Amino acid sequence: DAGVIQSPRHEVTEMGQEVTLRCKPISGHNSLFWYRQTMMRGLELLIYFNNNVPIDDSGMPEDRFSAKMPNASFSTLKIQPSEPRDSAVYFCASSPLSGGSYNEQFFGPGTRLTVL
Amino acid sequence: QQPVQSPQAVILREGEDAVINCSSSKALYSVHWYRQKHGEAPVFLMILLKGGEQKGHEKISASFNEKKQQSSLYLTASQLSYSGTYFCGTATNDMRFGAGTRLTVKP
Repeated sequence: DAGVIQSPRHEVTEMGQEVTLRCKPISGHNSLFWYRQTMMRGLELLIYFNNNVPIDDSGMPEDRFSAKMPNASFSTLKIQPSEPRDSAVYFCASSPLSGGSYNEQFFGPGTRLTVL
Repeated sequence: QQPVQSPQAVILREGEDAVINCSSSKALYSVHWYRQKHGEAPVFLMILLKGGEQKGHEKISASFNEKKQQSSLYLTASQLSYSGTYFCGTATNDMRFGAGTRLTVKP
């Protein structure tokens, strides 16, 4: 398996622009997580999906952030409009969920976002 | 609620041992440990699913005290390759990671 795929790997944009990050989870995994990592705040859970349904988006910082999972093999995280403080590495991770307990999470390589 | 890790950072000489602790204010269903090297994604080490469980991975092992809502990661006879940031993740209704412990192993 190719593992979790994220695109783009690097994104540089200007303040106010829309940014869309993409994730393809491992086939057969039914949980998907979006994380943001910064030096100051560490690894923060933004939102997670079980079977394509958003379960908890309490970590989404503001209304400028939105996430979708239209099918089992694709998810997007959108920031609109972007701000310099959104600069971070964004990770997507997928996991097989069984018996209501979370198993190993497989992380994608991340997208390094820089907002100027 | 994010679990609390200690220490924040530790520096070791090759061959020395270290313990990283993780505690939660909420009841835990499982504890996950990950290691992240600089510029890379976190990589899974192990999961502990029930109180009293202990697991090992090479010379890295962990324990889970469900009653105390704590877990500890033990690194024995550390190697240079153990350097990185270690995260514990606690699963209740979702997954929350601690702030991480930066481990540096020097020759």
